[in-house]
This record gives sequence, C-alpha cells and structure tokens, in this order.
Amino acid sequence: KAGVTQTPRYLIKTRGQQVTLSCSPISGHRSVSWYQQTPGQGLQFLFEYFSETQRNKGNFPGRFSGRQFSNSRSEMNVSTLELGDSALYLCASSTEAWQPNTEAFFGQGTRLTVV
Amino acid sequence: AQSVTQLGSHVSVSEGALVLLRCNYSSSVPPYLFWYVQYPNQGLQLLLKYTSAATLVKGINGFEAEFKKSETSFHLTKPSAHMSDAAEYFCAVRRSSGGYNKLIFGAGTRLAVHP
Repeated sequence: KAGVTQTPRYLIKTRGQQVTLSCSPISGHRSVSWYQQTPGQGLQFLFEYFSETQRNKGNFPGRFSGRQFSNSRSEMNVSTLELGDSALYLCASSTEAWQPNTEAFFGQGTRLTVV
Repeated sequence: AQSVTQLGSHVSVSEGALVLLRCNYSSSVPPYLFWYVQYPNQGLQLLLKYTSAATLVKGINGFEAEFKKSETSFHLTKPSAHMSDAAEYFCAVRRSSGGYNKLIFGAGTRLAVHP
C-alpha cells in the first residue's frame, strides 16, 4: 500500500512568488492535514480537509490556502512568499476527520526555500 | 486548552543505555497522545499512541510509553538504545476543535546515541 506522497520534495522560490505543493494521501483516506515545520516555531498546524471541505484552520495568514479534490488529493498554495515561509511542509492523511484516536500518516515533506 | 511539553531539547545516551524522553500534557479531557519519530530529511513516523485502552503502550522499534494521569505524563522509553535510534522525537496530543481534529506537537527532543 503506497504511503503519503508529497511533491515536489524540494523547491527554491524567490520572495514575492507563489508556490503550490501537492499531497496524495493513502488510498482510502479522506482526511488530509498540512503542517509547517521550522526550527524556530516547530510543527504548526496549517489546515485540515475532509471530503473537499476545509474543516479546521491554524493561525496562519490568508496567503496560505489549500484545497482538496474529489480523489482526496490536496494542494496548498502560498502566495507572495516571504523569507519566513522557508520550512518543511508536511502533509498527513487519515481515514476520518473526527476520530481523535485516528492515526495520521505523514509524507516525507516538501522543503521550501525562499530566497 | 490541550498542549504538550517536552522536557529537554537534546538527550544524549550511550549505545545500550536506557532511553527516556519526557512528555507532559495539559488537557481538561482525556487526551489522545502520540509519539512520532523524525529522521533527517524525512517525515514523521508514528511510534505509538495512547487511546485509553491501556496505560502502558508498546510501539515499534522497542519503544514504549506509560500514561500517568496523576503526573499528566506520557514519557517514552526504550531499555537499550541503538545507534539507529538517533533522531528527533515528538510528543503530540490530538485536539478536538468543533468535532474535528488536529495534532498539537511538542517542541521535539533530539536524541543522540554514542558508541
């Protein structure tokens, strides 16, 4: 069974540009969450999608957005990139959005560097 | 509000020694707690999870954790460290918000294993 796939693995962008990251969850999983990992702030929740609907959103500016498609694949977009957006972006998939003991399976992440 | 605190950002042990990584949680309701491991340039891998079925939880790679409500702790242990255990470890609590869930992570503990 294939795991969570994130593409691309590495990205270098210039300040002011926008970027789109992709996440394909495990087959059969309908919940996809996104996290940002930085040395200073650690792992922070960005948002969660379930059945194409954003169900939860973290404390990030509106430049960060996402969506989920009917096949559960998800994308996140960051517009007007800032140097501080440099981070490892992790996607996690799980079977259900509302079961608190549900395991979240993580992808290998996309390393975004903003120069 | 639910949160976790990991005591010690860096822990160093000798190969064969006991590994003890500390995690304390703050929760007004029974928590759902998780330990994840992250190897360099990788995503997060679930080690184990507490879901109230048993206070001593066994995970992968010989790790286990004990839930102690009186101490609000969920420390991770391994009797004998291997070189391959060198990684960063994250304790997390699953927070329900409006019926949906997100993981709240601790700051992480980097484990070094010396020969």
